[in-house]
Amino acid sequence: EILLTQSPATLSLSPGESATLSCRASHSIGSYLAWYQQKPGQAPRLLIYDTTNRATGIPARFSGSGSGTDFTLTISSLEPEDFAVYYCQQRRNWPPLTFGEGTKLEIK
Amino acid sequence: EVQLLESGGGLVQPGGSLRLSCAASGFTFSNYAMSWVRQAPGKGLQWVSTLSGSGGSTYYADSVKGRFTISRDNSKNTLYLQMNSLRAEDTAVYYCAKDLYRSPLISVLLDFWGQGTLVTVSS
Repeated sequence: EILLTQSPATLSLSPGESATLSCRASHSIGSYLAWYQQKPGQAPRLLIYDTTNRATGIPARFSGSGSGTDFTLTISSLEPEDFAVYYCQQRRNWPPLTFGEGTKLEIK
Repeated sequence: EVQLLESGGGLVQPGGSLRLSCAASGFTFSNYAMSWVRQAPGKGLQWVSTLSGSGGSTYYADSVKGRFTISRDNSKNTLYLQMNSLRAEDTAVYYCAKDLYRSPLISVLLDFWGQGTLVTVSS
């Protein structure tokens, strides 16, 4: 089973700043890494898939990078609606499909 | 517009059963694999099961294998999750989610999610 470790657990930033969220896989997953955003009381939303591809309707301020075991989600110039929990997910070696434990992006 | 609407959640005693449903609309249901993902209260996301568009291929997390059964009725645009021998640790919001890619591919990239249905297993 591929384990995904996200850091930090919580990130406190202000609107307008840039956010860098990390996801590390226990084994190489190539580029098969996705990112989801979840706001309180809502379902998750697919943001980025296969490391760098933005899903339909996702703003350009969201970008992904990395390969192998280390991946990054960058949110440039944070908007108020960006404060949420972010999960990474791997699909290189499934089942099981696995998610990271999440990074909470909160307003400073 | 893609819509997924889960139902069937509720309070059940340990050892009991529930069947969840997910009614889909806004896309050609039979063309896409579907998945169930759950989220325990205050916790992260946990994949439960995936079913191919035709219904011919099923995949389960070890924690539910042998107890849960995923199925679909493409004539009714509905996905199901039959849950037997429920345990306290199955308590969670259960989401159904649509695959990004058309069949026969199963990408397990989940591009649309329902709002979830809460299952509580408690005596």
